[in-house]
Amino acid sequence: DIQMTQSPSPMSASVGDRVTITCRASQNIRHFLNWYQQKPGRAPTVLIYDASNLQSGVPSRFSGSGSGTHFTLIISSLQPEDFATYYCQQSYSTPFTFGPGTKVDI
Amino acid sequence: QVTLRESGPALVNSTQTLTLTCTFSGFSLSSGGMCVSWVRQSPGKALEWLALIDWDDVKFYSTSLKTRLTISKDTSKNQVVLTMTNMGPVDTATYYCARIRASVDYSGVYDWAHFDYWGQGTLVTVSS
Repeated sequence: DIQMTQSPSPMSASVGDRVTITCRASQNIRHFLNWYQQKPGRAPTVLIYDASNLQSGVPSRFSGSGSGTHFTLIISSLQPEDFATYYCQQSYSTPFTFGPGTKVDI
Repeated sequence: QVTLRESGPALVNSTQTLTLTCTFSGFSLSSGGMCVSWVRQSPGKALEWLALIDWDDVKFYSTSLKTRLTISKDTSKNQVVLTMTNMGPVDTATYYCARIRASVDYSGVYDWAHFDYWGQGTLVTVSS
């Protein structure tokens, strides 16, 4: 199975901060990397798919980059509604795997 | 619009078999490229992928849980069913179903998309 790791975890930030979350895969997954946001008691929602594509309806302050084994999610200016847990997930092959999550809190 | 909803027992006893149903609308699992997957999340823990069934009834399973899982579909009812045998307290979790699309090339290699729609999840507690 492909192992996914994330850093940092957790992280503290303030409104207006630029936040960078890193995800690494244990093998080359090309661009098959997705980012999800999850708020307490809610199902995850996709933010970024295929490493760098912004899902429709997601604010442009979210962006993703990377390929191969190293990926990054950036929130350019953290908003109050962005305090949540963020997961990366590889869709290169089954079994699909998620990272351990990065909780962004105050 | 696309919706998914999980249903099943909130409480099961250890060693029992869990049966969960995902009822969806807004797409058909008989349409090429459509797949439904199950993902779970133990309290305070990360997401864990469990199983997937595609439009052609091809099934994929978690490596660590494949001996305990069975996924099936009823296209006429727009439902996907997951069974998990020999439940234990460590299986206490919120279970989600989610849609994912895919394509298959001439050699049978899948090109997967992302989980674009999720159900609200159903919490299953396993008592010892």
